[in-house]
This record gives sequence, C-alpha cells and structure tokens, in this order.
Amino acid sequence: KQEVTQIPAALSVPEGENLVLNCSFTDSAIYNLQWFRQDPGKGLTSLLLIQSSQREQTSGRLNASLDKSSGRSTLYIAASQPGDSATYLCAAREHNTDKLIFGTGTRLQVFP
Amino acid sequence: DTGVSQDPRHKITKRGQNVTFRCDPISEHNRLYWYRQTLGQGPEFLTYFQNEAQLEKSRLLSDRFSAERPKGSFSTLEIQRTEQGDSAMYLCASSTILGQGEETQYFGPGTRLLVL
Repeated sequence: KQEVTQIPAALSVPEGENLVLNCSFTDSAIYNLQWFRQDPGKGLTSLLLIQSSQREQTSGRLNASLDKSSGRSTLYIAASQPGDSATYLCAAREHNTDKLIFGTGTRLQVFP
Repeated sequence: DTGVSQDPRHKITKRGQNVTFRCDPISEHNRLYWYRQTLGQGPEFLTYFQNEAQLEKSRLLSDRFSAERPKGSFSTLEIQRTEQGDSAMYLCASSTILGQGEETQYFGPGTRLLVL
C-alpha cells in the first residue's frame, strides 16, 4: 500500500530564504508525482507535475525533483515571500490506478 | 473556462439528514474525482468517473455514500443519514489525458460539511 510522508509538518521562515520541502513515498512504482498548494479553507492549486521518467520540473521560483529509486521528491522554493505562506501537499499517482495518494502536507509561513 | 466549481461551499446539517453536493468540472474534462479532506490531513480518494462510468470506489465510500455523473458532465455526491464523522471538506477534481502520462488534476474550492 502506497504511503506518502511529508517533512517537516510545519515551517516558519523569514522572507528571502530558500526552502526545501520533502516528500517520500513507499512504493517507487508511480506514474507521476504532483505538488499542490492549499490556502486555508480553500481547494488545491496544482504547482508542478513530474512524470515518472523525469527528474525535475521548474516553474518560476519553484523547482521540484523526483528520485524514484529512493522514493523521494523535493520542492525547492527560491527567495521565499510572504505570499508563499500556505500548505504544500505532494501526491503520488500509482501505476494501474488513477487516484492520487496525498501526504499530510507542510504548513509554510513566511514572515516579513 | 472558469475552472472546477462546487456547490454549496458550506453545509451545516443535523445528524441523520441527507445532503447532496454538486461538482461542475472543467468543460471537456472527461475524468472527475471526489476526495475527502479532514482537518490537518491530506485529501483521501473517494471515487472517480471517466465520462459517465464510475471506475473506482474507495472502501471509505460506505453504502451511505453515492456518487453519480449521469451525462458525463457534472457530478453529485450524496451522503445519506449523515454522521458526525462525515464532517470534512469534500473536494472535486477534473482532468483529461494530454499525452501519455500527462494528467494534471484541477481541484475545485471544496464543500465544507459540518454535521451537528
């Protein structure tokens, strides 16, 4: 059974810092891995999707990497801003299924 | 295209009542998913449709839960005889296959249910 874990559970940093959020999964047979952002009381916004054949994806100040063999993905946020404050969720999609298995998220606060 | 929409955004009900939620996916997205999210947790898969066919159901979806997508467009999720443990955010997502392996799920704002 696929299990997805995110570390740390919460993170509070001053504006301008570069951040690394970690995601690990127990079954390396994934189809893709997706990172989402969730603001309090809101739905999820897709940030980056990495196919199983890819090693990383970049969008603006965000970079996500994928290492299937070690069961890890990282989300790198450069030059953090207060507007980045949110919960960040990773989700793995397994082969032969179309559902996403989510981690419990990292709650990020960036203060001015 | 205004994205995935869900109605209502909030619902308060008494234990034992039935509730129904609606999800309108992004137009032309043939896949529609339902997830449930409790406080401090990530979303958990409930069920999904490809067009009007319900292809997978989680064991979380007890016999009090039923989902439909009659015309392959909008979907409804009904909970009968609600229990306090049903209190959660119910999220809907839609997607389409862009190419081999490319499928981004786009989420709606969710319906927050509180069962008293």
